[in-house]
Amino acid sequence: AAGVIQSPRHLIKEKRETATLKCYPIPRHDTVYWYQQGPGQDPQFLISFYEKMQSDKGSIPDRFSAQQFSDYHSELNMSSLELGDSALYFCASSLTTGPYEQYFGPGTRLTVT
Amino acid sequence: AQKVTQAQTEISVVEKEDVTLDCVYETRDTTYYLFWYKQPPSGELVFLIRRNSFDEQNEISGRYSWNFQKSTSSFNFTITASQVVDSAVYFCALSEAVGYGNKLVFGAGTILRVKS
Repeated sequence: AAGVIQSPRHLIKEKRETATLKCYPIPRHDTVYWYQQGPGQDPQFLISFYEKMQSDKGSIPDRFSAQQFSDYHSELNMSSLELGDSALYFCASSLTTGPYEQYFGPGTRLTVT
Repeated sequence: AQKVTQAQTEISVVEKEDVTLDCVYETRDTTYYLFWYKQPPSGELVFLIRRNSFDEQNEISGRYSWNFQKSTSSFNFTITASQVVDSAVYFCALSEAVGYGNKLVFGAGTILRVKS
């Protein structure tokens, strides 16, 4: 079965640079979520989109923005990167009409040096 | 506010032992959903189970079983006859509603180490 696709899988950036993470949800899934997981921590919700509209928002820094496109893929844009942004970034998708569980992609490991 | 507590930071067992991972949650909603995810050393998050707040029936899937008790706000996970491949971080998570992009709130996770 098709899974959530994230690219790139690994990304190394320097401080103050910009990064763009991409997410392709499971086909027919209409909702996309972004989570950030620091080392040894649980995933923290950043933002979600339903039918291309922002649906819920967590502790996402103002330096980060995201959107969902007409083909349902999503991009997380991160600017003015800081050392503390180094983390594993997960994208997840779900189908609003059910089943309701969120299926996660393999994650993008971002390292800021 | 939603909160999930996994009091066990790390558990070590020997292969074939049974192990129970505890999860306690807090929510003001009467309708909510509970989940367990597995994160093996490779890093991905693997969905294991979803339970609705209005369905307290316990569930068994192979060596895995889940015990949901609303009276104690707990959703515990038991692995029977553990195997080395069960070694992973296990997260319990809560969603106050599903659909329309509602977030998962995760517990801190329990590291399970199964030794051969």
